[in-house]
Amino acid sequence: DAGVIQSPRHEVTEMGQEVTLRCKPISGHNSLFWYRQTMMRGLELLIYFNNNVPIDDSGMPEDRFSAKMPNASFSTLKIQPSEPRDSAVYFCASRTGTSGNYEQYFGPGTRLTVT
Amino acid sequence: AQSVAQPEDQVNVAEGNPLTVKCTYSVSGNPYLFWYVQYPNRGLQFLLKYITGDNLVKGSYGFEAEFNKSQTSFHLKKPSALVSDSALYFCAVRGANDYKLSFGAGTTVTVRA
Repeated sequence: DAGVIQSPRHEVTEMGQEVTLRCKPISGHNSLFWYRQTMMRGLELLIYFNNNVPIDDSGMPEDRFSAKMPNASFSTLKIQPSEPRDSAVYFCASRTGTSGNYEQYFGPGTRLTVT
Repeated sequence: AQSVAQPEDQVNVAEGNPLTVKCTYSVSGNPYLFWYVQYPNRGLQFLLKYITGDNLVKGSYGFEAEFNKSQTSFHLKKPSALVSDSALYFCAVRGANDYKLSFGAGTTVTVRA
């Protein structure tokens, strides 16, 4: 299995620009999570999807952030407009709903720098 | 509310010596506990988990962890550390009926040759 795939791996953009991060979960996994990692705040859960439906978006910091999961094999996290304080590493993780398999599997992350 | 504490920001050991990374947790009900490792510029990699059963769980790369319910701890251990074990380690917990993982702040492990 290829694991969780994220693109791009690095993104540098200017303040005010739209940024779209992409994630392909592991095939067969029905839960998908978006996290943000910073030195100051550690790992923060942004949003959780189950069977393509957003279940908990309470971690999304502002209306500038939005996430979609149009099908079981693709999700996007969009920031519009981006701000320097959005600079972080964004991780996507997926998990199967099969009983006994409770761990999340993380992608390599997208390092976002907003100047 | 659930939470994880990793009391040590850094752990330094010599290669070949035992390695312990500490973790305590707080959660309602039965805990599901996890350890992840993160190498530089990489995603988090699953090491091991405790869901139920034997308190001593074994995972990848020779790591093991011991669940202690009375002390609400889940310390990660390796009998003989390698230089390649140098990385950032995260402990995480969730309740049995929850989906949200709560992560500790992480412990940086440095193994010197």
